[in-house]
Amino acid sequence: DQQVKQNSPSLSVQEGRISILNCDYTNSMFDYFLWYKKYPAEGPTFLISISSIKDKNEDGRFTVFLNKSAKHLSLHIVPSQPGDSAVYFCAAKAPRSSGDKLTFGTGTRLAVRP
Amino acid sequence: DAGITQSPRHKVTETGTPVTLRCHQTENHRYMYWYRQDPGHGLRLIHYSYGVKDTDKGEVSDGYSVSRSKTEDFLLTLESATSSQTSVYFCAISESANFNQPQHFGDGTRLSIL
Repeated sequence: DQQVKQNSPSLSVQEGRISILNCDYTNSMFDYFLWYKKYPAEGPTFLISISSIKDKNEDGRFTVFLNKSAKHLSLHIVPSQPGDSAVYFCAAKAPRSSGDKLTFGTGTRLAVRP
Repeated sequence: DAGITQSPRHKVTETGTPVTLRCHQTENHRYMYWYRQDPGHGLRLIHYSYGVKDTDKGEVSDGYSVSRSKTEDFLLTLESATSSQTSVYFCAISESANFNQPQHFGDGTRLSIL
């Protein structure tokens, strides 16, 4: 029962263009969403988050959009750079979930071509 | 970077042997987590701790136990390792469950059970 889904296992984008990574969820109780980036042989690194009371959050080249009615969030990277090549995980948290537990998607591998 | 150290970074052992992985933090954060990452599954929570001697199970806790005798250390034990426990294990920490704050991850332990 995958409550957080990333249906695209991989994405290839030209340098300078926009990268759009998608994530769908099924649990309507989730109220906080995060994106993590992971390089090989390293741990996931927090990238950006959004609360369910917002529909957009921006941090430099990274913007996360949340569509609660569709239970869908997306991460936009503009412009994409070769250093952005990594695996991206979305994660979600339910309110008052014991221990602040996160549910992760399966990840999308982004390749940015020079 | 959050001060999280996982040890060992790599380990190869045989089926049936006990294995203990260590996570050490210097941030004095209350919450600590153990995840495993497997292809096609993303990161899945094994166990977590919400204080010294306070632990609880995650979604894939069978075959694992944990202990937290000090704020800074969280140990994951495989009492009798099986090949299905071959995985990459990540420790994470977070400051509080009362506010929406991200978890921060260590660099992982790659465990191979032969």
